[in-house]
Amino acid sequence: GAVVSQHPSWVICKSGTSVKIECRSLDFQATTMFWYRQFPKQSLMLMATSNEGSKATYEQGVEKDKFLINHASLTLSTLTVTSAHPEDSSFYICSALAGGVGDTQYFGPGTRLTVL
Amino acid sequence: QQQVKQSPQSLIVQKGGISIINCAYENTAFDYFPWYQQFPGKGPALLIAIRPDVSEKKEGRFTISFNKSAKQFSLHIMDSQPGDSATYFCAATRTSGTYKYIFGTGTRLKVLA
Repeated sequence: GAVVSQHPSWVICKSGTSVKIECRSLDFQATTMFWYRQFPKQSLMLMATSNEGSKATYEQGVEKDKFLINHASLTLSTLTVTSAHPEDSSFYICSALAGGVGDTQYFGPGTRLTVL
Repeated sequence: QQQVKQSPQSLIVQKGGISIINCAYENTAFDYFPWYQQFPGKGPALLIAIRPDVSEKKEGRFTISFNKSAKQFSLHIMDSQPGDSATYFCAATRTSGTYKYIFGTGTRLKVLA
C-alpha cells in the first residue's frame, strides 16, 4: 500500500516551453500533496503544499507563476513548469499524505527535468 | 528553531558493522520523526518512524533511538549490507500543523563488501 507514482520519470525540453508533471496516489486518497525540488547531493527543498480543491501554498522564494500546481482530485496533483529555462533543470519529487490515516508522507519516484 | 541538524555528512562502514546516523532538532513542538532512504535517481522511501512517547523503535535491522530531553534521535543500522549504501534523511514535523517536514541535510552511507 501507500504507492505514489509520477509521470514522466524524465523529460527533456527546449528552453521556453512548459512541462507538466503528474503525481498520483495509487491506493489511497491524499488530502495533501507536497512538491519538492532536489539538487544533486543535497536535501529535499519544499516548493509548495497543495490541498485538494484549494490553492497551493508556496514556500518563500518559489515563484507561483513559474511553478503552477493543481490538486484537482484526492489522487492527482500536477506541477507545471512554465517557460522553462536551463536553471529549472532539477529532480522534482512529489509526496502525498493520506488523509486522516497517518502522519507519513509517501514519496513518488521523482521526475528528472532537463531544459536545453 | 525549524532546523534539523544531521550528522555525519558521509559514513563508510564495513559489511556486518553498525551504521549510526544522528539528528538533532530545536522545535519542541515536533512530534513525528521519520527516516527515509534514498537511492540515486529515486524518490525517498520511508524506513522507520517514531513519536516522542517512546524512546526506541525497532524494525528488522533498523532501530530509532529517541532522546526527548536532548532533542536528539538517531538511526542504527545493524549488520549493515552493501545494499544499504544510500543516502539517509531524517525529518521532523508537527502533526497538528501543516505536516510540513523539516529534513536533515542527509547522510551518504557506503557499506564496503
